[in-house]
Amino acid sequence: GEDVEQSLFLSVREGDSSVINCTYTDSSSTYLYWYKQEPGAGLQLLTYIFSNMDMKQDQRLTVLLNKKDKHLSLRIADTQTGDSAIYFCAENRGSTLGRLYFGRGTQLTVWP
Amino acid sequence: GAVVSQHPSWVICKSGTSVKIECRSLDFQATTMFWYRQFPKQSLMLMATSNEGSKATYEQGVEKDKFLINHASLTLSTLTVTSAHPEDSSFYICSARDGRRLDEQFFGPGTRLTVL
Repeated sequence: GEDVEQSLFLSVREGDSSVINCTYTDSSSTYLYWYKQEPGAGLQLLTYIFSNMDMKQDQRLTVLLNKKDKHLSLRIADTQTGDSAIYFCAENRGSTLGRLYFGRGTQLTVWP
Repeated sequence: GAVVSQHPSWVICKSGTSVKIECRSLDFQATTMFWYRQFPKQSLMLMATSNEGSKATYEQGVEKDKFLINHASLTLSTLTVTSAHPEDSSFYICSARDGRRLDEQFFGPGTRLTVL
């Protein structure tokens, strides 16, 4: 399909790991992004991965990229209640950097 | 860090009127700005790409005469919703790309438009 797909909801206990999955559409996408949106705030870039990489780790965040299946995942280790938010994956399609196509977002709820 | 502001944060207007939304990069020069709209529980949809000093490039299905975009300076882009109708009610979000860092763009907090 044409859409970037994400599951809509994820609930985890505090201290557990969270894994948010995303399927994108364009095999030629150069960058793939994860954004966080909290109520009343703008989108905050969490991390991104260049298309020639398989994995990127940044403190508690690990991004895995499977280009063959066009699958992207975000793992949050030791999830905290402050991680509760909506997480969007996005792909940069085409040659113009910044033309992002977003999924519908995954609402992550962290229970104490 | 890079900050992008939008004004107004929310606006209510009557059907048939036009509404202008401003997007400003506060501490960097934005050679490119992007406009998105987001419906409730939906993804952000890219509307157009705006380059300073040139005409905006609109995504397929977005009416350029309906959504006028002006990017007259390196820190300001405006989106004007002309002859607004209730179906234009949405959350409009801009983002700006720092000309020195092409791999990242910074998002504004969004503008909630309600057309009565």
